[in-house]
Amino acid sequence: KAGVTQTPRYLIKTRGQQVTLSCSPISGHRSVSWYQQTPGQGLQFLFEYFSETQRNKGNFPGRFSGRQFSNSRSEMNVSTLELGDSALYLCASSQAEGRVTEAFFGQGTRLTVV
Amino acid sequence: KQEVTQIPAALSVPEGENLVLNCSFTDSAIYNLQWFRQDPGKGLTSLLLIQSSQREQTSGRLNASLDKSSGRSTLYIAASQPGDSATYLCAVKLAYQLIWGAGTKLIIKP
Repeated sequence: KAGVTQTPRYLIKTRGQQVTLSCSPISGHRSVSWYQQTPGQGLQFLFEYFSETQRNKGNFPGRFSGRQFSNSRSEMNVSTLELGDSALYLCASSQAEGRVTEAFFGQGTRLTVV
Repeated sequence: KQEVTQIPAALSVPEGENLVLNCSFTDSAIYNLQWFRQDPGKGLTSLLLIQSSQREQTSGRLNASLDKSSGRSTLYIAASQPGDSATYLCAVKLAYQLIWGAGTKLIIKP
């Protein structure tokens, strides 16, 4: 059974550009969450999707957005990139709607903004 | 507001030792607690999941305990090996998100 797949693995972008990251969850998993990891702030929650609906959003500016497709694949978009957006972006998938399910993570996308 | 703290921030021990990593949280209203491992530059590997109604979980040389009333969890690693070197993170599950500790960086010396 394939794990959580994130693409691309590495990205280098220029300030002001926009970027789209992709996450394919484990087959059968319907919940997808996104997290940002930086050395200074650690892991912070971005948003969570279930059945194409955003159920929760973290404390990030509107430049960060996401969506989920009918096959549960998810994308997140960051517009007008800033140097501080450089981070490891991690995607997690969970099996069921229940709140007690285990989260499985992908390898992440390393975004560098120059 | 839920806050998660991990102590110590870093730990270096000789191979073969048993060790304990600590995780504390401020609000006991959690659905579960998960321990993860992260190797440098890599994603997160789930090690153990403890539901809020459980007291402990075991997987191989790893044992995690949960005391919701005191807001504490421990990860016990038996007979440590150099391959256990990594950063260990705990996270508590709220409704639709995980709240994370800053991690413990573990180095096992051969």
